[in-house]
Amino acid sequence: DVKVTQSSRYLVKRTGEKVFLECVQDMDHENMFWYRQDPGLGLRLIYFSYDVKMKEKGDIPEGYSVSREKKERFSLILESASTNQTSMYLCASSLWGGGAPETQYFGPGTRLLVL
Amino acid sequence: GQQLNQSPQSMFIQEGEDVSMNCTSSSIFNTWLWYKQEPGEGPVLLIALYKAGELTSNGRLTAQFGITRKDSFLNISASIPSDVGIYFCAGRVVGNNRKLIWGLGTSLAVNP
Repeated sequence: DVKVTQSSRYLVKRTGEKVFLECVQDMDHENMFWYRQDPGLGLRLIYFSYDVKMKEKGDIPEGYSVSREKKERFSLILESASTNQTSMYLCASSLWGGGAPETQYFGPGTRLLVL
Repeated sequence: GQQLNQSPQSMFIQEGEDVSMNCTSSSIFNTWLWYKQEPGEGPVLLIALYKAGELTSNGRLTAQFGITRKDSFLNISASIPSDVGIYFCAGRVVGNNRKLIWGLGTSLAVNP
């Protein structure tokens, strides 16, 4: 089974802090994704990466950056946390299907509260 | 970003009832995925559909890839309390194989 793990289930940070959310997958997937989930807004893509050191902006990248130094690890960084970044953060990974559609597998999520 | 139209937004049903939900798009999709998310957890893949007209079952769940390639539905037969959760559809637009487009979810509550 695919396993996607996230470093924390719950985090409480203060406004202005730098926040790191870590995601690790153990199935050698090329693609990794960061989403945020808010009530009534569904899942919104922040960033994704299709290879080591590669990244692409999703739909809501403002206020976030990412790092992918190793294939299995994808980090989401909030340079200066703000209260409007309080949310559930979900990491996902998928295998590159060589052009064929592939499915995404999710971690359990990190619920971040910024005070 | 683009989103799918998923309906209904929420459902409250009696145990044993059948459930139906659907997603529609103005774009043509080459993949439809149905996920379930339980409270405090990430979404878990239920069914994946890759061909127009495809009908796939997973236990009491059945999903279909619409012939027009712009819609999909998910049925749950004989619901049980553990079916509670949020069900999301997601799809991939033709020509973009890396990003998924997501519906806003259908929240299902089952009364025992």
